Amino acid sequence: GENVEQHPSTLSVQEGDSAVIKCTYSDSASNYFPWYKQELGKRPQLIIDIRSNVGEKKDQRIAVTLNKTAKHFSLHITETQPEDSAVYFCAADRGSTLGRLYFGRGTQLTVWP
Amino acid sequence: EAQVTQNPRYLITVTGKKLTVTCSQNMNHEYMSWYRQDPGLGLRQIYYSMNVEVTDKGDVPEGYKVSRKEKRNFPLILESPSPNQTSLYFCASSFALAYEQYFGPGTRLTVT
Repeated sequence: GENVEQHPSTLSVQEGDSAVIKCTYSDSASNYFPWYKQELGKRPQLIIDIRSNVGEKKDQRIAVTLNKTAKHFSLHITETQPEDSAVYFCAADRGSTLGRLYFGRGTQLTVWP
Repeated sequence: EAQVTQNPRYLITVTGKKLTVTCSQNMNHEYMSWYRQDPGLGLRQIYYSMNVEVTDKGDVPEGYKVSRKEKRNFPLILESPSPNQTSLYFCASSFALAYEQYFGPGTRLTVT
């Protein structure tokens, strides 16, 4: 099945710095790559997603890049703020099997004021 | 208000006692899915449904059953719960797989 690996598992940055989380996937037929943010005790919420026909997507301080050749995608958060502290999950669909979504194991991001 | 609801939110039960966790959405979404979340393992898909009467296995379906008789409801059934099913469970729905999934509030299940 699809294998989504996410690194690092923990990340600490100073407020104002940038944070980068990287994911790799194994199914070359994957087409959809969302990122979810989960604050402590809350449900996951989508923050950004990208499809395979796009190389980069931005939304204010958040950007995602996709390299289909290398089968990896990354989340970039600029000008981090303490409220960015959360667990971030990447995910990838399995293009060959409609309906399946595979999540990475998560990155605990801590932003220190 | 557009939402996904789950019940119960917390449940402590004993091994072997059948239980059902309900999930309901009011957004007319075609796609629904169940996940379990365990420390260090992220979110793992249990079952999903592309539409009414269409369900399929995810990554970790053993010990679980689902049904999709109506578009809005997607219950998760544990016929004979075991301690290794102690976990945090999330139901989610979306227009289709490759669209934003809206998660329910979660159900924390403990099986003793």
